[in-house]
Amino acid sequence: ETGVTQTPRHLVMGMTNKKSLKCEQHLGHNAMYWYKQSAKKPLELMFVYSLEERVENNSVPSRFSPECPNSSHLFLHLHTLQPEDSALYLCASSRERALYNEQFFGPGTRLTVL
Amino acid sequence: DQQVKQNSPSLSVQEGRISILNCDYTNSMFDYFLWYKKYPAEGPTFLISISSIKDKNEDGRFTVFLNKSAKHLSLHIVPSQPGDSAVYFCAASDAGTYKYIFGTGTRLKVLA
Repeated sequence: ETGVTQTPRHLVMGMTNKKSLKCEQHLGHNAMYWYKQSAKKPLELMFVYSLEERVENNSVPSRFSPECPNSSHLFLHLHTLQPEDSALYLCASSRERALYNEQFFGPGTRLTVL
Repeated sequence: DQQVKQNSPSLSVQEGRISILNCDYTNSMFDYFLWYKKYPAEGPTFLISISSIKDKNEDGRFTVFLNKSAKHLSLHIVPSQPGDSAVYFCAASDAGTYKYIFGTGTRLKVLA
């Protein structure tokens, strides 16, 4: 138990659906992250939030829309996804967005887009 | 082009022996390196880190070595235990971006 929870753990959706992934951290951290892990590829950073402000968007398509309503919660809203978006989506948090701050990961949401 | 590479996708080691996992990087600006361990159906968990001012960091059975001139780091696990069987990711970061760049992982299997 890392103190970072994600729901749902598994999600199957059609290309026209709208769904949201939720992440919650109980560590009092100020930075939160969304990563994508596709098969046989390294973890790819998608978004970074620091003190509830989005500070990084790594050229992610607009069909992925993040939201950080407070420092404990992070959402990833999904809309009109493609089958190639099927992957493991990991949320992480760290005390600060700074060097020497380890990131703590949630268990991930396994997303399948049909 | 991958900046952090783990060229061995898998490794099998006998219980009690040493496991050595390797990682190479290309960006000389990286100055902080980490190892994460991942069990199936769980997220990666932080294992050990090293900053570029050191060449070795030890924590119990786990030691990370950094060779800056070769742009290479390695994780040594001694003695290896069956519970160490997992996927190990190395990651690198720099003071400019604070981003973690991950390798593709090495699956370690420790045989009882």
